[in-house]
Amino acid sequence: AQSVTQLGSHVSVSEGALVLLRCNYSSSVPPYLFWYVQYPNQGLQLLLKYTTGATLVKGINGFEAEFKKSETSFHLTKPSAHMSDAAEYFCAVSAQKTGGFKTIFGAGTRLFVKA
Amino acid sequence: GAVVSQHPSRVICKSGTSVKIECRSLDFQATTMFWYRQFPKQSLMLMATSNEGSKATYEQGVEKDKFLINHASLTLSTLTVTSAHPEDSSFYICSARPGGENTIYFGEGSWLTVV
Repeated sequence: AQSVTQLGSHVSVSEGALVLLRCNYSSSVPPYLFWYVQYPNQGLQLLLKYTTGATLVKGINGFEAEFKKSETSFHLTKPSAHMSDAAEYFCAVSAQKTGGFKTIFGAGTRLFVKA
Repeated sequence: GAVVSQHPSRVICKSGTSVKIECRSLDFQATTMFWYRQFPKQSLMLMATSNEGSKATYEQGVEKDKFLINHASLTLSTLTVTSAHPEDSSFYICSARPGGENTIYFGEGSWLTVV
């Protein structure tokens, strides 16, 4: 079975500060991991994904995430927060199941950026 | 690439009527599409998986007769909310997975308000 846990429903940082959004997963098979961002009243936009290969993946808008198998984590980071980063972020895990891939989403973390 | 479009973005309907939401993959063929429901400040709830040319697979607790899903072509899936009631008011989001890929791409979402 798969599951995703996002630690912290709300994270607040100052503009220019480090952004760290935490995600832990469980999966009985090798997972594919994703981060999506959702701005108010919009659908979800893919930020980055890990499938195979390099464990540090870079995405759009300066975000990156590192897959750590030993810690079953896929935390999202950005060195310097910008006001436009304020949004809801969802971590997701996908794995091949009978009948196709199934994607499970975390509960989401709302990022607030203070001026 | 990998653009998914939903229409309408907002719809208001009277209680007891039916409303249809369309989900289109604009630049790829999607053998599988997914329909989600999202309540305010909450994560996505998977309603059903739509497979082209076959019946949709509904998640537990989702009424098949109320939420009709049709996936008639490789680029179009529709969700029809039948006999809508105010409690059906929500943000509905679709996503699509290109054939052979493990990544899903989301539409812009559709706000349904039942009055």
